[in-house]
Amino acid sequence: GAGVSQSPSNKVTEKGKDVELRCDPISGHTALYWYRQSLGQGLEFLIYFQGNSAPDKSGLPSDRFSAERTGGSVSTLTIQRTQQEDSAVYLCASSFGGGANVLTFGAGSRLTVL
Amino acid sequence: EDKVVQSPLSLVVHEGDTVTLNCSYEVTNFRSLLWYKQEKKAPTFLFMLTSSGIEKKSGRLSSILDKKELFSILNITATQTGDSAIYLCATPQGGSEKLVFGKGTKLTVNP
Repeated sequence: GAGVSQSPSNKVTEKGKDVELRCDPISGHTALYWYRQSLGQGLEFLIYFQGNSAPDKSGLPSDRFSAERTGGSVSTLTIQRTQQEDSAVYLCASSFGGGANVLTFGAGSRLTVL
Repeated sequence: EDKVVQSPLSLVVHEGDTVTLNCSYEVTNFRSLLWYKQEKKAPTFLFMLTSSGIEKKSGRLSSILDKKELFSILNITATQTGDSAIYLCATPQGGSEKLVFGKGTKLTVNP
């Protein structure tokens, strides 16, 4: 696609429910990132995928968070048993290559956990 | 621990003013420093700096890097209301492919 697409743009859920956030990166971009942005905070790294390599999961805050990238393209971030502190904007980005390269961000998914 | 610190966190100016945003960093094996502008949701790329003392310029925006003192500045001249946004600074973490971001500077330009 022309840009990075994320869905849903907004998600309101109840505490304890599971949520899935989707990211469709730019065609041909081998690297895909998930970041989280809480109110008044900078972007917090969550996970990084590069080609067929094992993902860098070092930023996932707990085992309730997981992500996968199927066929080297679309990625899904899953949050199980959501908590109120999970409320944030979840941003996906892709790039042609690694982190020293310019990232193109999607518009984000705003998650609100009641 | 690698980190990026931006200042000020918030800035309010009038149209036509010139502003300077600051970004200091501590990272092992420095490769580059990037500036992004975030208006509503998606941060958009402004500049990537890799060499000291070489100014990058785009219209009214310019940026420069000082690798000795470990900081970068972003200048905006003749500010417009459309410059209102959060400006983010980031650098790749040493030994990995993840970008470490500062908390950003929220710029508000009033008419």
